[in-house]
Amino acid sequence: GAVVSQHPSRVICKSGTSVKIECRSLDFQATTMFWYRQFPKQSLMLMATSNEGSKATYEQGVEKDKFLINHASLTLSTLTVTSAHPEDSSFYICSARTWLQSQETQYFGPGTRLLVL
Amino acid sequence: EDQVTQSPEALRLQEGESSSLNCSYTVSGLRGLFWYRQDPGKGPEFLFTLYSAGEEKEKERLKATLTKKESFLHITAPKPEDSATYLCAVQAPGSSYKLIFGSGTRLLVRP
Repeated sequence: GAVVSQHPSRVICKSGTSVKIECRSLDFQATTMFWYRQFPKQSLMLMATSNEGSKATYEQGVEKDKFLINHASLTLSTLTVTSAHPEDSSFYICSARTWLQSQETQYFGPGTRLLVL
Repeated sequence: EDQVTQSPEALRLQEGESSSLNCSYTVSGLRGLFWYRQDPGKGPEFLFTLYSAGEEKEKERLKATLTKKESFLHITAPKPEDSATYLCAVQAPGSSYKLIFGSGTRLLVRP
């Protein structure tokens, strides 16, 4: 199957600092990646669609200047949470779109737990 | 508005007690319906993609089916290790490839 990794898996930072999260597709190329956030006992909420070589598309209500997305290569997308505040604490998950055995799907990374103090 | 509704919200089963999870959807032109399994503190794990009404797919104790309005995830003779949250998602029409997720069903299988 397809493997997607995220780094770091867990990060604690002080309020006002910036945090970068990396999402990599390890054994396939992904022109499209997605960033989600998930609050406890809730489902995934799409934040933005990341397209290789072009600007990300953000969902309504998501601040593009606060959540910077860069999809610099076919295997790497990064999410930078700028000037993080406690309300940004959440579980951030990325996914990468691909085809496998004639099925299109999105494979998800293991997630990054962000805690802003 | 495109929408995905999963039921029940939570389900408790005894080991070996088969059951089904429901995913109802309203979308203007279904491009695909996806089932994922999510364990606490981890990312969703891909299970199935279904494209058209009447399609069925199986994997071990799980079988997913699709009609024009809903999908079922049947769990046959579940084991405690099947305990997880099961998420259903539909792919939005257009070229965005976005997935619209339901709120999930939390499954607990007791030994």
